[in-house]
Amino acid sequence: QSALTQPASVSGSPGQSITISCTGTSSDVGRYNYVSWYQKHPGKAPKLLIYEVSIRPSGVSNRFSGSKSGNTASLTISGLQAEDEADYYCNSYTSSSTRVFGTGTVVTVL
Amino acid sequence: QVHLVESGGGVVQPGRSLRLSCAASGFILTNYGMHWVRQAPGKGLEWVAVMSYDGGTQYYADSVKGRFTISRDNSKRTLYLQLNSLRAEDTAVYYCCREVQDAFDLWGQGTVVTVSS
Repeated sequence: QSALTQPASVSGSPGQSITISCTGTSSDVGRYNYVSWYQKHPGKAPKLLIYEVSIRPSGVSNRFSGSKSGNTASLTISGLQAEDEADYYCNSYTSSSTRVFGTGTVVTVL
Repeated sequence: QVHLVESGGGVVQPGRSLRLSCAASGFILTNYGMHWVRQAPGKGLEWVAVMSYDGGTQYYADSVKGRFTISRDNSKRTLYLQLNSLRAEDTAVYYCCREVQDAFDLWGQGTVVTVSS
């Protein structure tokens, strides 16, 4: 149950687009389309941004989008805004019927 | 309103036990898989355990298997996490969350567990 691999930090200027990768294995990300993404601000509960690789829940900005290729999933934030500064985590279902989170990525808006 | 409220956290000595509760309101607990997730100080999110919607199956992270037990009281609309043989590395904020389409769509505010002598 090793954590999925994410870059420790990603930064961008307001209005720019950034992409956060989430690399797993053929037993999790590569095997199932059950990848989800979460935004977490300090002291707050995580918020669901994307589920089933690329589906946005109602109420989530369309500036957030998800995709997957092989063992790597990605979250793209377009039109970066100051309020997007937070920690981001991916999550995947695994072949053991467990779940695994990514290592987390700190997004900084320059 | 739909929400989850955790309770039961506190300071406990290594080797002791604690039971966390997660009260659900605004939805039927038995219609959903329910999970526990934790975040240690300065660390990332870690998935801990899941109970299936029908209560028939439970799965655990390797780090807690054999020490933690997830359970549910349908009449009280409450999810539990029994933490036994606690270690310093179990110190974390513990969140309960609801599963919809293999994602966690509803989270509680968390309860803090500190394991220290």
